[in-house]
Amino acid sequence: AQKITQTQPGMFVQEKEAVTLDCTYDTSDQSYGLFWYKQPSSGEMIFLIYQGSYDEQNATEGRYSLNFQKARKSANLVISASQLGDSAMYFCAMREGVGNYGQNFVFGPGTRLSVLP
Amino acid sequence: NAGVTQTPKFRVLKTGQSMTLLCAQDMNHEYMYWYRQDPGMGLRLIHYSVGEGTTAKGEVPDGYNVSRLKKQNFLLGLESAAPSQTSVYFCASSSPGTGPEAFFGQGTRLTVV
Repeated sequence: AQKITQTQPGMFVQEKEAVTLDCTYDTSDQSYGLFWYKQPSSGEMIFLIYQGSYDEQNATEGRYSLNFQKARKSANLVISASQLGDSAMYFCAMREGVGNYGQNFVFGPGTRLSVLP
Repeated sequence: NAGVTQTPKFRVLKTGQSMTLLCAQDMNHEYMYWYRQDPGMGLRLIHYSVGEGTTAKGEVPDGYNVSRLKKQNFLLGLESAAPSQTSVYFCASSSPGTGPEAFFGQGTRLTVV
């Protein structure tokens, strides 16, 4: 069974607007971690933001925030004030096994975001 | 800072040939991972290691072997390459002492013809 679902293969957003990338996950663990990575066209994987399953506050890192809804098992990424440099592939990932440092680190299929000038 | 380094960056193999991909990290991380990335499928875990001398299977281990003889190195081997193994391979490392996120290498683009 797929553990991470990203239902949006591609998204478009106008420059300076906000955009939400969807992610739902499936786990029976009580302790787990959720991550978002960015992959620009150059290919490297860039860590953006992390949310622990016990964290009560939604994580924020600059223009990135993670909308964590535990009961719905969703961990959507919100990018505010989009920039042309945000055009990239975005992956949602989950870590389970032994809390936030578990060995099982799985990724979703990704969403390609295109920022329009 | 080197971080995670993968060797080689590109390779073309003929069906049936063998090769080894090398991943080296200089962050003293405990955990290391090998993923393959295919269009529309995200990153899929091939094998991982939680420490020197230990390895475990991930989601798609068939056709691959790994070894972690030294803490800083994680080798991925293809004994008899097949066209289905054409992919981009990523190595990653992490450690509880440095935070939950994994750090990735630059990737290796492998084509099997």
